[in-house]
Amino acid sequence: SQQGEEDPQALSIQEGENATMNCSYKTSINNLQWYRQNSGRGLVHLILIRSNEREKHSGRLRVTLDTSKKSSSLLITASRAADTASYFCATVPSGGYQKVTFGIGTKLQVIP
Amino acid sequence: GAGVSQSPSNKVTEKGKDVELRCDPISGHTALYWYRQSLGQGLEFLIYFQGNSAPDKSGLPSDRFSAERTGGSVSTLTIQRTQQEDSAVYLCASSPRWVSSSYNEQFFGPGTRLTVL
Repeated sequence: SQQGEEDPQALSIQEGENATMNCSYKTSINNLQWYRQNSGRGLVHLILIRSNEREKHSGRLRVTLDTSKKSSSLLITASRAADTASYFCATVPSGGYQKVTFGIGTKLQVIP
Repeated sequence: GAGVSQSPSNKVTEKGKDVELRCDPISGHTALYWYRQSLGQGLEFLIYFQGNSAPDKSGLPSDRFSAERTGGSVSTLTIQRTQQEDSAVYLCASSPRWVSSSYNEQFFGPGTRLTVL
């Protein structure tokens, strides 16, 4: 089974609207990270949330983590056309293991 | 400063040939990862290097795949006797330290697109 499954797999919204993406995982984690991938800039790290944190903000990004439900959400507020990209969550397991597991991503399209 | 670089950016090869993909991590980064991304898919972990420790090879799909990291810096991923299912984008990432530490994001290279005919 796949760790870090994003939902929805595709999302299309109008510029200015908020976009919410979810990630579920199966095993205990040390931290969870969100990345963005677009053709212009490749894969870029957005935000990291540790297992003992519940919420984190960075500019227009808000990430929540619920370890009891093994899920995380990424909220992008006031979306822009430039936010069009694929968004991946990546989980780093607890216990000192370094194998990072990425989900298949959410493809976000922001329509101007 | 310079980011992670990978070469070649594109590689077309015939089935059965060997290929070598190179990754130059950010200077000073001790952790280095290789991933594979098939079209429209997520990233599949292949191998992880941390300093002088033995690499974590648990993600390598077969014994045709191998990787080394010389001098704790440059890494080479080698695929022997390539198959069509090896076609994918191979991504390398480096990190200042192990990712289970706080604030350790991975910095990705642009990838090598491998096409096996």
